[in-house]
Order: sequence, then C-alpha cells, then structure tokens
Amino acid sequence: AQSVAQPEDQVNVAEGNPLTVKCTYSVSGNPYLFWYVQYPNRGLQFLLKYITGDNLVKGSYGFEAEFNKSQTSFHLKKPSALVSDSALYFCARMDSSYKLIFGSGTRLLVRP
Amino acid sequence: EAGVTQFPSHSVIEKGQTVTLRCDPISGHDNLYWYRRVMGKEIKFLLHFVKESKQDESGMPNNRFLAERTGGTYSTLKVQPAELEDSGVYFCASSQGGGRTYEQYFGPGTRLTVT
Repeated sequence: AQSVAQPEDQVNVAEGNPLTVKCTYSVSGNPYLFWYVQYPNRGLQFLLKYITGDNLVKGSYGFEAEFNKSQTSFHLKKPSALVSDSALYFCARMDSSYKLIFGSGTRLLVRP
Repeated sequence: EAGVTQFPSHSVIEKGQTVTLRCDPISGHDNLYWYRRVMGKEIKFLLHFVKESKQDESGMPNNRFLAERTGGTYSTLKVQPAELEDSGVYFCASSQGGGRTYEQYFGPGTRLTVT
C-alpha cells in the first residue's frame, strides 16, 4: 500500500506566485516526514523535515511545509516562486527501521 | 566538507554483464544507504549499512545484487549478471546517526542502463 502519495505529477506556476506541492501519508502514530529536491543532473538535496513540535516547518531556499495530522498531509509551500525552483520534488517518510519511503515525485515548472 | 560521491555517473552494459557501483559517504557518517529509482517510479530502499555491517537488506531485489562496505568507509554495489529491469538510477545516501531525526544526504546517483 502506498504510504506516501504525491497526487500531482507536475505543478505549473508563474514566477512570483505562491506554490504548493502536495503530499499525503498513511501511517499510524507519529510520522517522520521529509522533503527532498532534485535539480537536473544532481542528487537529492534535503529541504526540510518534520519530527515533532511546530506544525509549520521552515527549510532551505525559502520553502516551508505544514504538517496536518487530521488531513495526514505535509504540503510543501513557498510564498513566491522563482524560475530556479523548477525541479523534481520528493516527499518521504522515515519508517521505524530508518529507511526512507518516497512518494513518486512531482515536477515543478516555474515559468517566467 | 565533501558530500556523498558516486562512481560512475553513468554506466551502459549489456544484459548478462557485471557492473560495480561505488559510493563514498560523507566522512564520519557511519550510516550508509542504497536506493534506486527504476523507470521513473518511486525511489525505493535497497539496504542500510551501519559501519561495515548490514543493518537492513530487505529491499535487495534478488541475489544478483551484492553490497559490501569493507572497513566501514566506501561501499560497492555489484549487479551480476545484469538484467534489463535493473536499469535505473542508483542513489547512495549517508547520515551521521541512525536515528529517525537524522536526515540522509544523497549522492548524485549512478544511471545504469542495461541493453
């Protein structure tokens, strides 16, 4: 069963507009959630994580994510998109044996 | 500080041949992970080393795959013999600790194409 879902294969947004990349999870208990970004010809780069505490997590490059337990979501957001944000974004959760379980990825395209 | 490095960046081999991928983790990181992304699908876990010991190899697809981490430093992943369905991008990651609060740092990946 899919435990991390990214419902959108691609998200298109104009530069300067807010962006949201969606992620939902299905796991009992407290999830450990992560966002990674992959730029072309690069490895996965860690953006941010939710372990415990404040539901709004701030990360690199101006990104933030909101943990919503009632909706089992961990959507990635940024108030103002840049063309350079165009990349492949992966949501993941860490299971009890420390391995990451990834969503299928969402391609973000920011047009000038 | 150098990040996780992987070699080669690309490899094209014929079905039935052998390929060895190498990963050098961040210095001082005891935990090393292998993942792969096949055919544009999800990135899936292969195995986890703590130092030189295999902590979890539940994701290894079959016995054609052999991973080693001699001396607890770099790791190799050998595929022998390679099959068409092994094509994909193989990622290595390392983390300082093994707990769930430690983020994993990924290398650039090795793109393997089996023809």
